[in-house]
Amino acid sequence: SAVISQKPSRDICQRGTSLTIQCQVDSQVTMMFWYRQQPGQSLTLIATANQGSEATYESGFVIDKFPISRPNLTFSTLTVSNMSPEDSSIYLCSVYPGTGNTEAFFGQGTRLTVV
Amino acid sequence: AQSVTQLGSHVSVSEGALVLLRCNYSSSVPPYLFWYVQYPNQGLQLLLKYTSAATLVKGINGFEAEFKKSETSFHLTKPSAHMSDAAEYFCAVRINTGGFKTIFGAGTRLFVKA
Repeated sequence: SAVISQKPSRDICQRGTSLTIQCQVDSQVTMMFWYRQQPGQSLTLIATANQGSEATYESGFVIDKFPISRPNLTFSTLTVSNMSPEDSSIYLCSVYPGTGNTEAFFGQGTRLTVV
Repeated sequence: AQSVTQLGSHVSVSEGALVLLRCNYSSSVPPYLFWYVQYPNQGLQLLLKYTSAATLVKGINGFEAEFKKSETSFHLTKPSAHMSDAAEYFCAVRINTGGFKTIFGAGTRLFVKA
């Protein structure tokens, strides 16, 4: 298993500003994943972050809007840029810890409200 | 492409009644399938998983799911619902091509009536 810590747990931001969300894992992992969960919706994968390379974005998500850093094997950040109310969502970090784990583990999420 | 479809965005049962949440998958190869639960204002918790071993998978809190290849289904069941089971349930599939990632169904909200 893995313990995943996300900061902040929640925030209220003004439109037009940016927020950086941090994800810290208690073990080294090759890939980290960022998801968005809009109000009342399911989880949508934003991007996959590998250490030492650029993140891979899913269709509908772009680097300019959601820049991601992955400086080492236990940490990643997701920035939500130039926010609008439509960005109000829960953002979750996810990993597959170890070599035998088949399932994804999730952080508690960051609840973002844009006003 | 691999995906999952959850039938029914809302399911309502009485306390003590059978819970059945439906999930169908689309995959050209044997999939890894999962059920996650999300309680209000909480993170995701894994209920159970299928990884090509036993087709009947038992999870936490009395839930189980059966993998049926002929029906491409992975429905979640619990013999007797409890009020504490009220939550959002997500079926998910792990895609193993080009790296791997988990894709989620739309979710089913379970309501339990007293």
